[in-house]
Amino acid sequence: GQQLNQSPQSMFIQEGEDVSMNCTSSSIFNTWLWYKQDPGEGPVLLIALYKAGELTSNGRLTAQFGITRKDSFLNISASIPSDVGIYFCAGQGVVRDDKIIFGKGTRLHILP
Amino acid sequence: NAGVTQTPKFQVLKTGQSMTLQCAQDMNHEYMSWYRQDPGMGLRLIHYSVGAGITDQGEVPNGYNVSRSTTEDFPLRLLSAAPSQTSVYFCASSRPSGMAFFGQGTRLTVV
Repeated sequence: GQQLNQSPQSMFIQEGEDVSMNCTSSSIFNTWLWYKQDPGEGPVLLIALYKAGELTSNGRLTAQFGITRKDSFLNISASIPSDVGIYFCAGQGVVRDDKIIFGKGTRLHILP
Repeated sequence: NAGVTQTPKFQVLKTGQSMTLQCAQDMNHEYMSWYRQDPGMGLRLIHYSVGAGITDQGEVPNGYNVSRSTTEDFPLRLLSAAPSQTSVYFCASSRPSGMAFFGQGTRLTVV
């Protein structure tokens, strides 16, 4: 079945640094989504991408829909303490009514 | 606007017991899904529905049943709880565009 490979699994960075994470798949997706999950909460949508090559920003976050439609990346610039959490990529396939599947997440830690 | 509401927030079951996790959404979304989250495993799809009366299996459907009699509600039933079903369960709703909105989760422990 479809699988998303998300990397890295975890990151330890200093406050103020930029962060980059990515997601790849062997299948083509029509939609790429990026979510953030805070402890004890459900995932919250950060950015949605619908077109190959699309580059979309949300404040300090920027995400891109890969040109091959098999990958996506998320960048966070100038990290701050509230960026700590788990970031998930998700994809929706090309078949009508296709389900949304998730990567295993990237856990972001910010060192004091 | 409540969004996606899950009940209960916490539950402890004994092995073999049955129960239903409730999920309701007030956004008139067509799609609803159930995921389970386990450490290091991300979010794994259990069952999903693209509209009232239509359901389909996800990656890990065994031991769970669903039904979708209305657009608003999508309950998840555990028929005979097992310790392997200890997890955090999330319900999500979305439009066909794929932007899913999640509930706060149900933390289930099976002893």
